[in-house]
Amino acid sequence: NAGVTQTPKFQVLKTGQSMTLQCAQDMNHEYMSWYRQDPGMGLRLIHYSVGAGITDQGEVPNGYNVSRSTTEDFPLRLLSAAPSQTSVYFCASSPTPRDRQFFGPGTRLTVL
Amino acid sequence: EDQVTQSPEALRLQEGESSSLNCSYTVSGLRGLFWYRQDPGKGPEFLFTLYSAGEEKEKERLKATLTKKESFLHITAPKPEDSATYLCAVNTGFQKLVFGTGTRLLVSP
Repeated sequence: NAGVTQTPKFQVLKTGQSMTLQCAQDMNHEYMSWYRQDPGMGLRLIHYSVGAGITDQGEVPNGYNVSRSTTEDFPLRLLSAAPSQTSVYFCASSPTPRDRQFFGPGTRLTVL
Repeated sequence: EDQVTQSPEALRLQEGESSSLNCSYTVSGLRGLFWYRQDPGKGPEFLFTLYSAGEEKEKERLKATLTKKESFLHITAPKPEDSATYLCAVNTGFQKLVFGTGTRLLVSP
């Protein structure tokens, strides 16, 4: 099992550009989530999904879109990048929301 | 508002010097408390889940305990490879985890 994979590992964008952060898991987990991690702030939930076709907002959803067309994939889209979105992004999955989450290796995003 | 506070922010120990990390929480409904370890440049790695006050879990040099208001991660005779950031997170029952800001642990040989 590869577990949770994320691509790319690093990305630099200019303000206003759009991009998609990819996340995939091969454990057949229903629950998937996206977090951002900033110094002194801890991990904050952006969006989550409890299954294919079902998504909901987390604590800091503004500026991000998600969709879940398959159990395996949960991409995160930045429609118009802003410097405030400079962060490290982690995708995670678990069988249910009450179970421990398996985290991906992260994507370090810099918006200039 | 659900809140998770970890202390200290940073801790420096000598190899073999035991200590404890604290995670205090104020949440509307506890559905599980999680401890994770995070190494620099990597994603968090699961350590323990605790569900009810009085529960304890152990793994090698680590032991996690839970009360109604806080959790402790006890590190016994730490080694340099235990150096990492330790994260605490609480499941509040709304399919969301609330994380603390972590404790950075450095164990010197």
